[in-house]
Amino acid sequence: DGGITQSPKYLFRKEGQNVTLSCEQNLNHDAMYWYRQDPGQGLRLIYYSQIVNDFQKGDIAEGYSVSREKKESFPLTVTSAQKNPTAFYLCASSSGTGEGSTQYFGPGTRLTVL
Amino acid sequence: DAKTTQPPSMDCAEGRAANLPCNHSTISGNEYVYWYRQIHSQGPQYIIHGLKNNETNEMASLIITEDRKSSTLILPHATLRDTAVYYCIVSSPWLGNLIFGKGTKLSVKP
Repeated sequence: DGGITQSPKYLFRKEGQNVTLSCEQNLNHDAMYWYRQDPGQGLRLIYYSQIVNDFQKGDIAEGYSVSREKKESFPLTVTSAQKNPTAFYLCASSSGTGEGSTQYFGPGTRLTVL
Repeated sequence: DAKTTQPPSMDCAEGRAANLPCNHSTISGNEYVYWYRQIHSQGPQYIIHGLKNNETNEMASLIITEDRKSSTLILPHATLRDTAVYYCIVSSPWLGNLIFGKGTKLSVKP
């Protein structure tokens, strides 16, 4: 099946530890995105990448880092510098930007920092 | 900040049409209207999008007013599985960033 996978679904970490969230897509999409969602709120953009080996900061990039070494993969690292890392993290991809492009989302990873 | 205004919640009877309104009075000429929905603890699901013409697909219809300052998402025959938070988003597809507001929580009741 084509789609976006995120793993794991639930993740627990101790305060002060870095953690990496996985996002893989087999849709042959050029662009990939990471969003964060807090309870009762909409999504906020963390980072996005329009092409391999290139990425840009979104609205709330502080305390996060990404890489885009392969077209199908866009891992997100939540570092110890992120003050409130507990949240629901969503990865998305699109065929690119421009007319007709649409973002499709993965199932999400719920991160809890203890 | 989100450029859209939606009612925080709505109810709909099962089998009836659900009409979800959205105001976007500051929409620019190159911005599209997108609709997504999110069922609790899942990723948002794309529903439909449009620029200025009305659009229809297998899930829903999108009606955009002539001045493009508001739109309505129509689920023609709502089922219990349509209970979700519905997000109306205004964005340029060349920008790559979807700005989500708080959406409308639609409850479909038997």
